[in-house]
Amino acid sequence: DAGVIQSPRHEVTEMGQEVTLRCKPISGHNSLFWYRQTMMRGLELLIYFNNNVPIDDSGMPEDRFSAKMPNASFSTLKIQPSEPRDSAVYFCASSEEGTPHETQYFGPGTRLLVL
Amino acid sequence: AQKVTQAQTEISVVEKEDVTLDCVYETRDTTYYLFWYKQPPSGELVFLIRRNSFDEQNEISGRYSWNFQKSTSSFNFTITASQVVDSAVYFCALSELQTGANNLFFGTGTRLTVIP
Repeated sequence: DAGVIQSPRHEVTEMGQEVTLRCKPISGHNSLFWYRQTMMRGLELLIYFNNNVPIDDSGMPEDRFSAKMPNASFSTLKIQPSEPRDSAVYFCASSEEGTPHETQYFGPGTRLLVL
Repeated sequence: AQKVTQAQTEISVVEKEDVTLDCVYETRDTTYYLFWYKQPPSGELVFLIRRNSFDEQNEISGRYSWNFQKSTSSFNFTITASQVVDSAVYFCALSELQTGANNLFFGTGTRLTVIP
């Protein structure tokens, strides 16, 4: 079975540009999570969806960040405008149910560099 | 306060040695879940194990074993006869049922280097 799929795997952009990260969760999983990993802050949850509905977006750093899940098999995380401090690895994860005890399976991550 | 503490930032061992990675957690919930993930140099996060707070039995999977002790709030991970392929950053994580949020609290990770 395919795991969580993320694209692109690497993104280099200039400050001020719009960046869109994409994620396809594991088929049949009802919950989707976006995380950011940096050296300074480690792994942070940005937002999570349950049945395509955003449940908790308290981790989204600023209004420049937005996330959507138009259907059960696709989600986007958009940064507009991007800034150098947004440089990080962004992970998408999915789980079967929207409950804490379910295991989250992570995608390979998108390594973002904002110049 | 850190919910998950991995005090060992980096560990180096010689191949075939045993190594234990420590994880100490903090929670007021009576129901919670503990996880270990592996992040190899390629960068992906690989799920290793999940344990709920009501199951204190130790678990063994091949060369991997986990020791869960509620009395000391620890969930330590041991690799027996380490191999170069075990070199990675290992993260311990906590999920609390009563928090209401489906949030995994990650430790800061332990970077394990296995020297051939």
